[in-house]
Parts: sequence; C-alpha cells; structure tokens
Amino acid sequence: DTGVSQNPRHKITKRGQNVTFRCDPISEHNRLYWYRQTLGQGPEFLTYFQNEAQLEKSRLLSDRFSAERPKGSFSTLEIQRTEQGDSAMYLCASSLEGGSNQPQHFGDGTRLSIL
Amino acid sequence: AQKITQTQPGMFVQEKEAVTLDCTYDTSDQSYGLFWYKQPSSGEMIFLIYQGSYDEQNATEGRYSLNFQKARKSANLVISASQLGDSAMYFCAMRGPPRGKLIFGQGTELSVKP
Repeated sequence: DTGVSQNPRHKITKRGQNVTFRCDPISEHNRLYWYRQTLGQGPEFLTYFQNEAQLEKSRLLSDRFSAERPKGSFSTLEIQRTEQGDSAMYLCASSLEGGSNQPQHFGDGTRLSIL
Repeated sequence: AQKITQTQPGMFVQEKEAVTLDCTYDTSDQSYGLFWYKQPSSGEMIFLIYQGSYDEQNATEGRYSLNFQKARKSANLVISASQLGDSAMYFCAMRGPPRGKLIFGQGTELSVKP
C-alpha cells in the first residue's frame, strides 16, 4: 500500500526565489489537501481539490501561492517570490470522498527554509 | 467558526501507564468528525482514531480510545499501557464544513519515561 508521497523532503532557497512542491496522493483517493505547519503549531489548511477541481482556498493562500491538480492525480504547490515568513513544513494529505468519517492520510511533508 | 483547544502543551507519563490527552472543540454543526493524529519528531502525521458526532459508543483502536463527551464538547484521547515509541506530538482535529478541511489544535507533546 503506497502512501502519500511528497517531494522534495527539504528545500532551501533564497528570499525572492520561486519554489514548487509535488504531492502524489494514495492512488484511489480523489481528495487532496495542502496544509502548512510552523514550529510548535498545528497544521493550517491551505487548499483542497476534489479530482481536478480546487474547491476551497484559505485566506492564508496569498496571490503568491498557487496549487494545481491538472489530471486529478498528483498536485503541485508553487510559491512565487518567497519571503522569510514562508519558512514552514508543507504537508499534503489525501482521502476518499465521503462523509466526515474519512480520515486524511498525510505525506512526510516538505520542509521549506528561506535564507 | 470551528475551533479545537488542547490545553496541555506537554505531558509526561511513565512507561506502561495510561495517559489522557485533553481536547475540547467548538462548532455549531450537528454533524462533524473528530480525529487524533500522532506526529513523531520525524514529521509525518499518523492517523490514530476517529469519532463521529452521532456515534453512541466511544471509538477504540488498539491501545487508543477516545473519551467522547458530546455535551461537554470534549474528545479526549486515552493511551493505555504507554510505550517509549508513543513519545510524540499529538494533535486533535475536527472536520469542518463543507466536510473538507481539518481544523487542528496546537498539539500536546507527550514524553514517555522508562
């Protein structure tokens, strides 16, 4: 059983650069979520997709952030013109569609460090 | 608005003893789901247990059980027979409308002592 896969595991970049992360969900899951987690905090929701449709975006997702899931399988999260405050762990999760009882299964995350 | 509160930043427990991690929630929804996740120092979030708002019995999964008190809006996690490998951050989360995103608490860091 292949879990949620995220790449890269770590990303170090200079302020102002663009970065892109990739998430491959569990194959039969049609829902995909992105969260951001800063040190000492719980994850905060960023956005989610059902198949290729982006159904909800958080206010946290500024214009510099964009997420895609073009074929309803893998997803990418891009951050343009990175800022110091973007340093965080970016977590991807996937789940089956259904009621509130469907657990979300998380990947190992991508840790972003802005120099 | 939905909110999850975990009031214990850190907890210590002796190996083989039971421990309760507190979680209270706030929602105006009648139908919702409550989840507990474990996050070891390596970073991955591991799903532990789920409780539905209409479930009449408390959920159990192996050594994990959820003490669900709907009137008090609490969903405490009980870990029986603690093991050293249980040392981790534990997050309580709620499925908010429209049944998509999870709303997390700030977490409790559990340390199991030998």
